[in-house]
Amino acid sequence: EAQVTQNPRYLITVTGKKLTVTCSQNMNHEYMSWYRQDPGLGLRQIYYSMNVEVTDKGDVPEGYKVSRKEKRNFPLILESPSPNQTSLYFCASSDMGTDTQYFGPGTRLTVL
Amino acid sequence: GEDVEQSLFLSVREGDSSVINCTYTDSSSTYLYWYKQEPGAGLQLLTYIFSNMDMKQDQRLTVLLNKKDKHLSLRIADTQTGDSAIYFCAESGGSYIPTFGRGTSLIVHP
Repeated sequence: EAQVTQNPRYLITVTGKKLTVTCSQNMNHEYMSWYRQDPGLGLRQIYYSMNVEVTDKGDVPEGYKVSRKEKRNFPLILESPSPNQTSLYFCASSDMGTDTQYFGPGTRLTVL
Repeated sequence: GEDVEQSLFLSVREGDSSVINCTYTDSSSTYLYWYKQEPGAGLQLLTYIFSNMDMKQDQRLTVLLNKKDKHLSLRIADTQTGDSAIYFCAESGGSYIPTFGRGTSLIVHP
């Protein structure tokens, strides 16, 4: 089954404690991206990746890092989380040719 | 940057038609999308339209595109309580990087 998976689905952590949210897709997609969703602000893109070892900043990259060492995986790293990073995070992937994005189920992060 | 605007809320009675509107600014948009997000779930692609089309119909869904006015709409016929969700409009041009609207919460009441 074609899918995008994210782990964990829920995470409560404290300020400053490094965390990683994993994202994996099994569709051999070149393009992957991370979004955060906040009430009234909709979806905002954090980082995206056009292919392995190619990443670029989206609209709200501050406080986040990503890596793309393999085509299927695109982890989101918060080196020193802060409360304003409390949000719902979505990973997505797409085939560059069609543009249709497939979304993961979301990770709800709370930073205390 | 490019912008996609949509109203935040829409309330309809069960059985009526719902029309969710969206405007965008990118004149080079190639694809325009509607995504649905049910409570507690991720986004699912509902339908999409190429920029050279005016209309696309898929069962209860009708997408209308007015490229001159950069206006996209999603009509849901015979709206059901299961249609209650947040609907996101999105557009992408040659950069393959989509821009999303803030989402419209559709509330269907009996």
